[in-house]
Amino acid sequence: AQSVTQLDSQVPVFEEAPVELRCNYSSSVSVYLFWYVQYPNQGLQLLLKYLSGSTLVESINGFEAEFNKSQTSFHLRKPSVHISDTAEYFCAVSDTGRRALTFGSGTRLQVQP
Amino acid sequence: DGGITQSPKYLFRKEGQNVTLSCEQNLNHDAMYWYRQDPGQGLRLIYYSQIVNDFQKGDIAEGYSVSREKKESFPLTVTSAQKNPTAFYLCASSTGQGAGVSEQFFGPGTRLTVL
Repeated sequence: AQSVTQLDSQVPVFEEAPVELRCNYSSSVSVYLFWYVQYPNQGLQLLLKYLSGSTLVESINGFEAEFNKSQTSFHLRKPSVHISDTAEYFCAVSDTGRRALTFGSGTRLQVQP
Repeated sequence: DGGITQSPKYLFRKEGQNVTLSCEQNLNHDAMYWYRQDPGQGLRLIYYSQIVNDFQKGDIAEGYSVSREKKESFPLTVTSAQKNPTAFYLCASSTGQGAGVSEQFFGPGTRLTVL
């Protein structure tokens, strides 16, 4: 079975500082990888995804993630965060066997002024 | 606007009662999913359905039941056999095409509280 590990449950950071949210997965086959964001009491919104091609993927609001096959990682980064980025972030991997997503436990990003 | 709707937003249940959570999508997606979210545990898959009249158990199906009689609807029933049902429930859908899930779209969620 596939699994996703998000090493940090909470990441406090000051506004305009850089941030990295870590994600590692276990899989013996090719995977699709995702980052979702969740604001309080809301559903999940897709932030970015890796399906194939360039290993560096970007979102429209300045986040980026790099697929590293040798390290089985898909870390999320942003060079300068805003207060509005405060949310919970989930990494997920597509399970080609049962065709559903397996999620990590989430990382709460807290941006402080 | 296309999307996924879940109702109600908040639901309170007495112990021993069954309750049904609604999920409707107008995205013309074949596949639908139910997840449960608890603090610090991420999302766990309860049931999923790749096509009408077919569904499979996920990782934590005990105490839950589903039906998929229509493409756009995938209701979840939380039965009295579910010992700890208080949680945030999320419904999702995807196209169901291809070897893997290329993207899942999520509804706004239902927060269930057992009194």
